[in-house]
Amino acid sequence: GEDVEQSLFLSVREGDSSVINCTYTDSSSTYLYWYKQEPGAGLQLLTYIFSNMDMKQDQRLTVLLNKKDKHLSLRIADTQTGDSAIYFCAESIRRSFQKLVFGTGTRLLVSP
Amino acid sequence: ETGVTQTPRHLVMGMTNKKSLKCEQHLGHNAMYWYKQSAKKPLELMFVYSLEERVENNSVPSRFSPECPNSSHLFLHLHTLQPEDSALYLCASSPQTGSGNTIYFGEGSWLTVV
Repeated sequence: GEDVEQSLFLSVREGDSSVINCTYTDSSSTYLYWYKQEPGAGLQLLTYIFSNMDMKQDQRLTVLLNKKDKHLSLRIADTQTGDSAIYFCAESIRRSFQKLVFGTGTRLLVSP
Repeated sequence: ETGVTQTPRHLVMGMTNKKSLKCEQHLGHNAMYWYKQSAKKPLELMFVYSLEERVENNSVPSRFSPECPNSSHLFLHLHTLQPEDSALYLCASSPQTGSGNTIYFGEGSWLTVV
């Protein structure tokens, strides 16, 4: 089946690290994505990881993939108040066309 | 600025109205998508177009009618909608439709049906 699950809410203090977790079900997923949505805005692509990788780092962002457990995480180092947003995990389902299956999103609140 | 522009950003329409949402991408992509984002639900894929040809209709009611006149423009024609159709409608594009082609989203059109 196609299902992506995320925790709904995460609260951290400014300067701390944030870790947002995601689990997915389709073992044939080829790419996994993290998108960020700020209030009133569309989805902004943050980063993605290919399924044959287990880690990807991009400045303050670190993506970890445990393919055996179908678990994906996004770590944000030195979290800032501007990082407050909803973060969506998405898996790319192998079809004749590109299909992304999204989680319900994790709302990150960063307090000063 | 994502390269995908949607208009209008906000739309309020009655259940008997006919309106359209417009999307334009400036990225040279060949694939375009409509997604629906409702409160407390995951994003739902509605339609996929590849080189102006519809390749997916994800069981969307006929009161939503997409149109893709060229690879840069995508419309969603709306008629006789229901209040439960109120949502954020997101347009997106990608270079091709195959797996691994990164999808870029527009800012969305907030639709309220009264």
